[in-house]
Amino acid sequence: GAVVSQHPSRVICKSGTSVKIECRSLDFQATTMFWYRQFPKQSLMLMATSNEGSKATYEQGVEKDKFLINHASLTLSTLTVTSAHPEDSSFYICSARDPQGGREQYFGPGTRLTVT
Amino acid sequence: QKEVEQDPGPLSVPEGAIVSLNCTYSNSAFQYFMWYRQYSRKGPELLMYTYSSGNKEDGRFTAQVDKSSKYISLFIRDSQPSDSATYLCAIEAAGNKLTFGGGTRVLVKP
Repeated sequence: GAVVSQHPSRVICKSGTSVKIECRSLDFQATTMFWYRQFPKQSLMLMATSNEGSKATYEQGVEKDKFLINHASLTLSTLTVTSAHPEDSSFYICSARDPQGGREQYFGPGTRLTVT
Repeated sequence: QKEVEQDPGPLSVPEGAIVSLNCTYSNSAFQYFMWYRQYSRKGPELLMYTYSSGNKEDGRFTAQVDKSSKYISLFIRDSQPSDSATYLCAIEAAGNKLTFGGGTRVLVKP
């Protein structure tokens, strides 16, 4: 299957700072990527859909000014958590679909964010 | 009512047993159905993907979809301790968005 990577795998930051998470499709070009958040022992919740070359589409209740998404190329999307607070501590996961393949979505390994 | 319901478990079975997992969904517009496996602190890994009613088999895994009942299942034969993980059903809505069930934690005991 297709490979999606994320960097960093874990990050600890202080309250009030910003953190950038990268999501890359390694062996295919992804016009669309998705960002999810997962709290402990809970399922994945879609935060936003990232479209290459255009603005991201955010799910209801997700603050677009707090979670900045940039999809600058066909293989890279970034999520920046601005002015992070302890309640933003979570597991952030991206996914992408290979447009040359089927409808399967392939997920990255996730980034664990801890805000102190 | 959640769009996708899944029993959280945990489901504990002895090694070699059949693991039976299921989800129900409410939106008849859903057309594509997937099962993911997620180990602790890792991203989900796609196991099975199907779009039609009926059975689809891949090795020890069988996915079953019953669109008339809005019910999907995953069966794992000859379960192994390495199958211990959380299993998530996911159903695709419009715009390629996936709606996930809450996940079922499975423990296969040697």
